[in-house]
Amino acid sequence: GESVGLHLPTLSVQEGDNSIINCAYSNSASDYFIWYKQESGKGPQFIIDIRSNMDKRQGQRVTVLLNKTVKHLSLQIAATQPGDSAVYFCAEIYGQNFVFGPGTRLSVLP
Amino acid sequence: GAGVSQSPSNKVTEKGKDVELRCDPISGHTALYWYRQSLGQGLEFLIYFQGNSAPDKSGLPSDRFSAERTGGSVSTLTIQRTQQEDSAVYLCASSLDTRAFFGQGTRLTVV
Repeated sequence: GESVGLHLPTLSVQEGDNSIINCAYSNSASDYFIWYKQESGKGPQFIIDIRSNMDKRQGQRVTVLLNKTVKHLSLQIAATQPGDSAVYFCAEIYGQNFVFGPGTRLSVLP
Repeated sequence: GAGVSQSPSNKVTEKGKDVELRCDPISGHTALYWYRQSLGQGLEFLIYFQGNSAPDKSGLPSDRFSAERTGGSVSTLTIQRTQQEDSAVYLCASSLDTRAFFGQGTRLTVV
């Protein structure tokens, strides 16, 4: 595993709005993708995953979209809440090799 | 245990001293990863263990860093002659197949 880059972009959204966090991945052979949420002072926690044979998967208030043509992954959070404020990482997996994206900090404005 | 456990949770050390960080993975998980996370930054890969295979050490930043995994379970990350730039949170993760579970990390501060 390795990190694509270490700079941390920030996304600010109003409470109640929908959030879209984007991630570009590198390996067209990656067959599994995960979004992690990292709250301050904690380790990353699993949110939702998707396999490469799917293009959309929905969870509770979260949806992951996969576009293999352009190697792009997105996480959509509906009705963003203050508790959603965190850093979000995407990870692409091939075999057991994890490659994490640079992360996006989501700030929810009151 | 129920999750990945790391110890200590916080470590303050003087520049030039050696430190050891411990990771107890989830029982039965064959893969173990170490990452470093500087304040406000992303995850920097350090090292990856998979079963009995030779570890992938390609992310270790210098020869002051080393890690071992005994008996396919507990792992220790050792940093020799610590420098101030080593200050960061060191995260451990383990996995059995495709999902990695993270510990809470060890916050290392070199003064």
